[in-house]
Amino acid sequence: GQQLNQSPQSMFIQEGEDVSMNCTSSSIFNTWLWYKQDPGEGPVLLIALYKAGELTSNGRLTAQFGITRKDSFLNISASIPSDVGIYFCAGTRPPPKMDSNYQLIWGAGTKLIIKP
Amino acid sequence: KAGVTQTPRYLIKTRGQQVTLSCSPISGHRSVSWYQQTPGQGLQFLFEYFSETQRNKGNFPGRFSGRQFSNSRSEMNVSTLELGDSALYLCASSGSGTGELFFGEGSRLTVL
Repeated sequence: GQQLNQSPQSMFIQEGEDVSMNCTSSSIFNTWLWYKQDPGEGPVLLIALYKAGELTSNGRLTAQFGITRKDSFLNISASIPSDVGIYFCAGTRPPPKMDSNYQLIWGAGTKLIIKP
Repeated sequence: KAGVTQTPRYLIKTRGQQVTLSCSPISGHRSVSWYQQTPGQGLQFLFEYFSETQRNKGNFPGRFSGRQFSNSRSEMNVSTLELGDSALYLCASSGSGTGELFFGEGSRLTVL
């Protein structure tokens, strides 16, 4: 099951509004990543965060790696119609055993809808 | 660089049949992961392959299998299809080992 709690599940906003979404967990993560999925396409990486406290921007998008390493948020400023889609957070955790790879855990997604 | 290519993009099968989906990763990427996406269920991890070896596996029944070839191309197979297997199957490749994945457009499977 999901180990990342992503909220909100969906958002209805007006064009021009700022948007904020976040992911939390009871576990520590080594990396936080934010992806966006447009309808009919695969997710695309928006921002990757590697250090606790790190704040990174990509145009109108800003994301932060929480200082406790258990959470991350994504902000979108001045939303535009092409921002609609599903935003996923994901985090990497150390492998469960020696001979396996890191675990990549996904949030359930935040669906962004812009009201006409 | 060419992106991740998945084939076929759309397919329709009936219950009990089997299906094979193909994924060509970005050139130089040795890791390929597969995900199942259904409405309301987010991205469910199926398995990951690296250098022809399955490195991680999600919680899916044995009907779901995969393999990776020496050129890093990967296939996944679903046998004895069920209605609930209808989904978008996404393949992603990675070259960094940091969780940065590059996804294909997916193969949309409909089981009737």
